[in-house]
Amino acid sequence: DQQVKQNSPSLSVQEGRISILNCDYTNSMFDYFLWYKKYPAEGPTFLISISSIKDKNEDGRFTVFLNKSAKHLSLHIVPSQPGDSAVYFCAAISMNSGGYQKVTFGIGTKLQVIP
Amino acid sequence: KAGVTQTPRYLIKTRGQQVTLSCSPISGHRSVSWYQQTPGQGLQFLFEYFSETQRNKGNFPGRFSGRQFSNSRSEMNVSTLELGDSALYLCASSQDRTQYFGPGTRLLVL
Repeated sequence: DQQVKQNSPSLSVQEGRISILNCDYTNSMFDYFLWYKKYPAEGPTFLISISSIKDKNEDGRFTVFLNKSAKHLSLHIVPSQPGDSAVYFCAAISMNSGGYQKVTFGIGTKLQVIP
Repeated sequence: KAGVTQTPRYLIKTRGQQVTLSCSPISGHRSVSWYQQTPGQGLQFLFEYFSETQRNKGNFPGRFSGRQFSNSRSEMNVSTLELGDSALYLCASSQDRTQYFGPGTRLLVL
């Protein structure tokens, strides 16, 4: 049961253009969402997050959009740079039955930015 | 602040052996979570510890266990290793809703 889905395993974008990475979720109890970037042989690095009470959060070149009715979020990178080439993971947080937060990750989308 | 550190970075074991991995969280972070990453499977949650207590557990067999010490450092242990346990094991610490990851331990089981 994959509650967080990243349906595009890979994406190629020209340098300077916009990269859009998508994530869908099924659990309506998720109330906080995060994006992480991962280079090979390194751990994931936190990029940006959004609470379910918002529909947009921006940090420099990175913007995350949340559409709760569609259970969909996206990460926009503008402009894309070669150094953005990495695997991007979407993550969602809910509370478990014990009242503690539980984090669920998607399987990732590999972004390649072509110079 | 220093980031999350994990030791060792690389490990080679044979089937049937056991292994212990270590994680030191960011100073002040009391929550430590462990994940397994394999190709095509994303990050699979193993367990989470907070103040020396396991408060979340994923769907892994009992061969996978962990513990947390009073200084928040955590260890995970895998007993009776199988070939399928070959993976990158990631540790993450947090003090709020955002987890910060270490570089991982790459385990190869032969």
